[in-house]
This record gives sequence, structure tokens and C-alpha cells, in this order.
Amino acid sequence: NAGVTQTPKFRILKIGQSMTLQCTQDMNHNYMYWYRQDPGMGLKLIYYSVGAGITDKGEVPNGYNVSRSTTEDFPLRLELAAPSQTSVYFCATRGAHGDTQYFGPGTRLTVL
Amino acid sequence: SQELEQSPQSLIVQEGKNLTINCTSSKTLYGLYWYKQKYGEGLIFLMMLQKGGEEKSHEKITAKLDEKKQQSSLHITASQPSHAGIYLCGADQYGGATNKLIFGTGTLLAVQP
Repeated sequence: NAGVTQTPKFRILKIGQSMTLQCTQDMNHNYMYWYRQDPGMGLKLIYYSVGAGITDKGEVPNGYNVSRSTTEDFPLRLELAAPSQTSVYFCATRGAHGDTQYFGPGTRLTVL
Repeated sequence: SQELEQSPQSLIVQEGKNLTINCTSSKTLYGLYWYKQKYGEGLIFLMMLQKGGEEKSHEKITAKLDEKKQQSSLHITASQPSHAGIYLCGADQYGGATNKLIFGTGTLLAVQP
């Protein structure tokens, strides 16, 4: 089992560019989450999904979009990158209510 | 809204010393999770506590959830350099009414050999 995988590990974008952060899990978990972690700060929830075809906004969704066409994949899209989106992005999954979350290794994004 | 506050924000201890990290919630905790994060890596799950007064241990790390269920502590005995990293607490938001966790801001631990 690979668990939760994220690609790429690092990326530098120019202002206004777009990109997709990939997240794939092989644990057959229904719940999936995208967080961003800024220096010295905790995790902020961007978007989450409770199952294929269902997504919902978290605390900081502006500037991002997601889709969940399959149980395994939960990509995060940045349409017009801004310096404020410089952060480390983590994808996480959860098997059931009351279970812990399992995190991917993260994607470090810099927008210049 | 429910918030988690961790203290201290950072901690430097000498190898072999004991230490405690606290996580205080603004509302009653129904599921409290402790994670460890090494720089540049994802979060590793340590322990989960659900019942007031519950205590769990793994190797030299012990976590407790107080009786009133609004605070949890993480205690490390005889710290080692391998314990260094960022420790985060997470909790089921609003007692699990949502499917989301909220997180504290983290405690940065450095262990000096």
C-alpha cells in the first residue's frame, strides 16, 4: 500500500499561472481533504470531499477548485496563482467518522 | 467557532529531559488526535483519545485527555534527538458534527544532544 501520494513535491509558479496538485490514495477511504500550512501556522482546510462526486468548501477555498470523480483521486486546481498561495499543501484521507486522518508527504509551492 | 491552542509554541530541551506539550480547546473535545511532523514531511499519527481521563502511551510518549475533556497533554519521557519535530493536536470539529478536523498551531520541539 502506497497510502496517500502527492505530486509534485516541489513547484515554482509565476504569478497568474495555473497548475493542478495531484492526490491519490489506495486505501479506499471516502473522506479526502486538502490543507495548506503556512510557516508558523497550523493547517487550514481548503476543500474536502465525503465521497466521489461530492465536494465542499473549507475555511480558505478562494483561489482553488477541486473535483472528485473517483474514490482514489482528489486533485486541487490553482487557476491564477498569487504570491499569497505560497505554502505547503497536504492531502489527507479518512476511512470513517472517528478515525484518524492519513496525510500525504506534501507539495511545497512557491509563487513568484 | 472551536479553536485549539497549543503551548508552548516552541521548546528546546536537553537530551534525556522530560517535557510536556498542552492542547486546550475552546469547546468540549470528543476526539483528540496527536500528530508529529518532521520538517518537509507530512504528519504522522501518534495517538487518539476520546474519553475523559483516557491515557495512552507509545514508547516514551504518553497522551492524556483531562476529565472535563477540554485539554490534552503530550508527555515525552527521557527525550531523544529522534523526538525533535513539530507536534500538532487535532480535534473533531464540533464534537464530530462535521467530518472535519481542526488543528492547533503546533509546538516546535528541539532536543539538544
